[in-house]
Amino acid sequence: DAKTTQPPSMDCAEGRAANLPCNHSTISGNEYVYWYRQIHSQGPQYIIHGLKNNETNEMASLIITEDRKSSTLILPHATLRDTAVYYCIVRYGSQGNLIFGKGTKLSVKP
Amino acid sequence: DVKVTQSSRYLVKRTGEKVFLECVQDMDHENMFWYRQDPGLGLRLIYFSYDVKMKEKGDIPEGYSVSREKKERFSLILESASTNQTSMYLCASSPARNNYGYTFGSGTRLTVV
Repeated sequence: DAKTTQPPSMDCAEGRAANLPCNHSTISGNEYVYWYRQIHSQGPQYIIHGLKNNETNEMASLIITEDRKSSTLILPHATLRDTAVYYCIVRYGSQGNLIFGKGTKLSVKP
Repeated sequence: DVKVTQSSRYLVKRTGEKVFLECVQDMDHENMFWYRQDPGLGLRLIYFSYDVKMKEKGDIPEGYSVSREKKERFSLILESASTNQTSMYLCASSPARNNYGYTFGSGTRLTVV
C-alpha cells in the first residue's frame, strides 16, 4: 500500500503558485520523498525528491517539515501545461520500488 | 534524449490470446519494471527485474509473466489474455543505484475483447 495521503483534486489559477500537500506520517529515517506527475496519456515524469532538507530545481520546490511527516510540492508559477496528476511517493533509499498512490489531480485554470 | 520505448501505443487482443508487450530502454539501466494503471486504482507494480534473466513479482503478478533476456529489453507476457487485463501498461527503467527514480515509457493501452 502507498504510504502517503494526498487530496484527490486541487485547482490553481494560471500564474499563481500551486501548493500540493502530502502526508507521510509513518516515514522512516531512510525513506525519501519523491514527487512525480502524469500528464494525460503519458507515462509518469520525475519532478523532485528529498530526504530532510528542502529542495529546489527548475521544475519545482519541495518543502519537508522538520518531523518529516508531511511535505509540500510547490510549482511557483503554474501554467496550463502543469495540469496533471501529481504523485507523492515514499521510497526506501535508492533501491526501493516506487509504490504509487492515487495522487492529486491538479487543474490549472486560465 | 534518453528513452524507454514501448512497442505499441494501442493494442486490441481477443480473450485467450497470448500477448507480448515489449519495452526497450537505451540508457543501459539495470532495473526495469512493469506497471498497470486503472481508473481509481492508480499504478500497480506487476513485475520487475534487477538484472538480465532475473525477475521478481510485484504486487499483482497473477496472470502475467516476464522475460529479460537482454539488458535493454523487458517483455510482459499475458499467457491467456482475459477481459480483466484490459488496462494501460507502463514500463519503466532505472540505474541500479539511483536517487532520481524511474524513467517511464508512454504506455500501451491494451483492450481485451
